[in-house]
Amino acid sequence: KQEVTQIPAALSVPEGENLVLNCSFTDSAIYNLQWFRQDPGKGLTSLLLIQSSQREQTSGRLNASLDKSSGRSTLYIAASQPGDSATYLCAVRPPGRGANNLFFGTGTRLTVIP
Amino acid sequence: GAGVSQSPRYKVAKRGQDVALRCDPISGHVSLFWYQQALGQGPEFLTYFQNEAQLDKSGLPSDRFFAERPEGSVSTLKIQRTQQEDSAVYLCASSLDGRGYSNQPQHFGDGTRLSIL
Repeated sequence: KQEVTQIPAALSVPEGENLVLNCSFTDSAIYNLQWFRQDPGKGLTSLLLIQSSQREQTSGRLNASLDKSSGRSTLYIAASQPGDSATYLCAVRPPGRGANNLFFGTGTRLTVIP
Repeated sequence: GAGVSQSPRYKVAKRGQDVALRCDPISGHVSLFWYQQALGQGPEFLTYFQNEAQLDKSGLPSDRFFAERPEGSVSTLKIQRTQQEDSAVYLCASSLDGRGYSNQPQHFGDGTRLSIL
């Protein structure tokens, strides 16, 4: 079974810093990887989706990279803001027809201090 | 609607009662997913629908859990004879693609927080 790990579990940074969140997965055979943010009491908001054939995706201040062979992905947040405070989850989708479910990590809780 | 809508937002039930959780996916989305999220954990897959067909229910923890999507839009997750370990947030997600292979992102609702006393 695919295992997804996110380190660190929690992170506090002062406003304006650049930061990196890490995600690792045990089975490199994935179809895609998705990064989400979750605010307290809310559902998940999709941030970036990287196909297995891609190396990175960018959206605004966010950049996600994927190294499938080593089972790693990083989410880079530039010039962090207090509004970025949330839990960030990565999820991988296994390959194969009918493999529709996502395997999630336990998340990194980010606090950006004003 | 603009997003995935779930109701109720909160549900408290006594152990042994049956509960029903509703999900309204984004209009036109073919795929619908249910996930269970325990406190401090990532969501775990329960079941998947493509239109009205339940193609994968491998994540349902027991036969007390039942999901349906009879007309290919709204879905209901039913839990019979609830137990305390069923307490969790139940998330519904939908995506546009329905052919098994998909690079369409899953869009999540805000979830139903279920507490079993």
